[in-house]
Order: sequence, then C-alpha cells, then structure tokens
Amino acid sequence: LAKTTQPISMDSYEGQEVNITCSHNNIATNDYITWYQQFPSQGPRFIIQGYKTKVTNEVASLFIPADRKSSTLSLPRVSLSDTAVYYCLVGPMDSSYKLIFGSGTRLLVRP
Amino acid sequence: NAGVTQTPKFQVLKTGQSMTLQCAQDMNHNSMYWYRQDPGMGLRLIYYSASEGTTDKGEVPNGYNVSRLNKREFSLRLESAAPSQTSVYFCASSRQGKRDTQYFGPGTRLTVL
Repeated sequence: LAKTTQPISMDSYEGQEVNITCSHNNIATNDYITWYQQFPSQGPRFIIQGYKTKVTNEVASLFIPADRKSSTLSLPRVSLSDTAVYYCLVGPMDSSYKLIFGSGTRLLVRP
Repeated sequence: NAGVTQTPKFQVLKTGQSMTLQCAQDMNHNSMYWYRQDPGMGLRLIYYSASEGTTDKGEVPNGYNVSRLNKREFSLRLESAAPSQTSVYFCASSRQGKRDTQYFGPGTRLTVL
C-alpha cells in the first residue's frame, strides 16, 4: 500500500483558499486518491476522489500532477466550519484493499 | 435514510467485562467495517465484511470478534475488555467495489476501567 505524508497541521483565516498537499511517492498504477474530512466527535466524511488531473465537486477540488506522486486538496474560501482533520488515502478500489488512515492534517480556520 | 447508526453512543466497562457494539446501515451497502480511533490518531481497521456472510481481519483484530448478522447489521464484540481497548469505535459501510467511498456512523466512545 502506498504510504502517504501530509502536514500535521495548518492554520488559515476565513475566506482564504487552503491547499493541503499529500505525498505518495510509491503510488501504484491502479491506486486512487481519496480525501476524507473529520470533525471532532464525528466519523470521517468522504470529500473527494480522483485518479489523475483535476476533479472538482461542490466542496473541494483535487489536483493530481502527471506523475501522481502527490496530490493537493483545495478548499476555496474556507469558513470556521471547515476546521477539521483532513485525511489523504491512497489505494486500489477493489475488494482486497484495506483503507489506511494516517494521522491526517489538522486545519484550524481562524476568524 | 438514517445512513449508518451505532449503539450505544457511550459505554463504560470494567476490565474483563464483555459487550457488543451494534451497527446498522440502510443504504443497501454490501461492505461494512469497524475501526477504532485513539486520541490524536487516525483510524485503524479492526475487521471488515466485504459482503454478507464474510468477515476478514484488519490491522488490529486482536481482542475482538465480529458478526455480519445480515446485509444491514455488523456487530463488534469485546469478549474480555482491557484498558487498551479504550477508544472511539466507528462503523462504516460502502458499496462493494467502491471501497474508498465509505460512510461512517457517529461512533461509540468506550472507556475500560
């Protein structure tokens, strides 16, 4: 399974764009990249998933360069409610895959 | 739809006691999972069930047993609780073949004294 590396924590202010980068140097050809968000005292929530280039949904964008050795989760114009832990996960989408959650990135959004 | 529900929300046990954590999903998902999360750490997979009638060990299965009662329900049992099992337990489910897109329950906060 591809190992991921993310910053332990990040600070931002309301209204700013936040970019969280995840490194996954040994990503395999059939691996997808998925991001989850976890608020305190809640279970993680799926945010976005991609394989290459760019994926955008109503919550975030995911940028994946051609070599796929890293990915960047972009949160546009964050608010206080975006304060959470963000996890980057890498792995194939088949039945033998076991999700590995690292320690994630703690994002603190200040007023 | 309620999504993934877990009971109880909180539980305190004494060392050596047993208990079962219940999980149910109403999304017609085939796969279900149990995780634990210790303070300040990410989630670790305890057991999972790829489909009804099958269960497999995850990263930290020791001290736990599971039962996939039917397609909706997946329970986690602690036969003899230990203080090291103090944690928050999350159940999750996903469509078969869409394993990364997991939907999580609200969690059970367990304390073992």
